[in-house]
Amino acid sequence: QKEVEQNSGPLSVPEGAIASLNCTYSDRVSQSFFWYRQYSGKSPELIMSIYSNGDKEDGRFTAQLNKASQYVSLLIRDSQPSDSATYLCAVNRGGGADGLTFGKGTHLIIQP
Amino acid sequence: DGGITQSPKYLFRKEGQNVTLSCEQNLNHDAMYWYRQDPGQGLRLIYYSQIVNDFQKGDIAEGYSVSREKKESFPLTVTSAQKNPTAFYLCASSIFEGSDTQYFGPGTRLTVL
Repeated sequence: QKEVEQNSGPLSVPEGAIASLNCTYSDRVSQSFFWYRQYSGKSPELIMSIYSNGDKEDGRFTAQLNKASQYVSLLIRDSQPSDSATYLCAVNRGGGADGLTFGKGTHLIIQP
Repeated sequence: DGGITQSPKYLFRKEGQNVTLSCEQNLNHDAMYWYRQDPGQGLRLIYYSQIVNDFQKGDIAEGYSVSREKKESFPLTVTSAQKNPTAFYLCASSIFEGSDTQYFGPGTRLTVL
């Protein structure tokens, strides 16, 4: 069974600080990695996708991928109260469009 | 506006009844998916379809059925054989060729009374 592991939290970060969210995955052949944000009672919203080792930046968000360590992270700079949500890490299940395997999510709280 | 619609938003069902959840997309995406989310849990894949008239089971297909007669539509039926159907059901779609990025609809919250 392919697995994606996340610390469930809650992770509490002061407003304006950097929030660091981590994810590990078990399937070495995984090629596509995603971070989704989910507000309570709502559906997941795509934040970032990453496919190659290294960093990928989009505004205040940076995704980091290390395939050798099977580790993906998401950094949120200048955290805002509106960033308070659950962040889901997802990994592709195989080639093509076979669906994603999700972690259970990390609950992030930004303290004003 | 392009997007994914799911209906109804809330659904109540008596035990022993089958119910069908609707999912429609106008993004011209080839692949469509159904996931289930339980409180405090991640999403689990129920069924997926990469092309019309073809679909595959995910990790938790027992007690569910789907059809894919049109590219735009991928309805999910929750049958009476599903032992614990109360959950948040999410439909997603992706382009398929060249991308496996999935976008989600707003979800249907099913409660069995």
